[in-house]
Amino acid sequence: GDSVTQMEGPVTLSEEAFLTINCTYTATGYPSLFWYVQYPGEGLQLLLKATKADDKGSNKGFEATYRKETTSFHLEKGSVQVSDSAVYFCALSDRGNNDMRFGAGTRLTVKP
Amino acid sequence: ETGVTQTPRHLVMGMTNKKSLKCEQHLGHNAMYWYKQSAKKPLELMFVYSLEERVENNSVPSRFSPECPNSSHLFLHLHTLQPEDSALYLCASSQDWGRVREKLFFGSGTQLSVL
Repeated sequence: GDSVTQMEGPVTLSEEAFLTINCTYTATGYPSLFWYVQYPGEGLQLLLKATKADDKGSNKGFEATYRKETTSFHLEKGSVQVSDSAVYFCALSDRGNNDMRFGAGTRLTVKP
Repeated sequence: ETGVTQTPRHLVMGMTNKKSLKCEQHLGHNAMYWYKQSAKKPLELMFVYSLEERVENNSVPSRFSPECPNSSHLFLHLHTLQPEDSALYLCASSQDWGRVREKLFFGSGTQLSVL
């Protein structure tokens, strides 16, 4: 079945460092891909999404490109801030499924 | 504020207790979901309701019993839980079921501890 695998955390970075969180997926169809973020004490919020191959989703300085050839959707940010500390979830939804499949989440801590 | 409200935020219960989690959405959505979030595991979809009708039940033990009295409210009734049921329970909604290329809106969750 469809699934998402993302890099295990935790990830600890200094402010202004470059961030990459890897995400790969397995799907039988043509999924849409998402990154959700969960700030402390809150539920998940959509960060960005891409609906077809080569699309780039972007929001708040974060970017991810839908790579069909490598079945990947890695999250990147050029310069992280302390306020980016959160848990990041990669997810997919496929026409064949009526739900959203999530990865296990990657905890990011950014230190001043 | 995402428009999805969950209560209580925290719940501690014994294995013989009966309790209920509540979720309310004011977004006019037609689909509501219960997810279980455990440490280092993917979010697990438990139940989906579309237009107040249960459309998904992902092999969840019968000690979890959902209820959707109307399109704005969703409950999760708990009884005789086990310690391994301790987790963060998240409610979510979307405009429609079957169109989950649209985003999900999540509540802040109920942190459940079973002693």
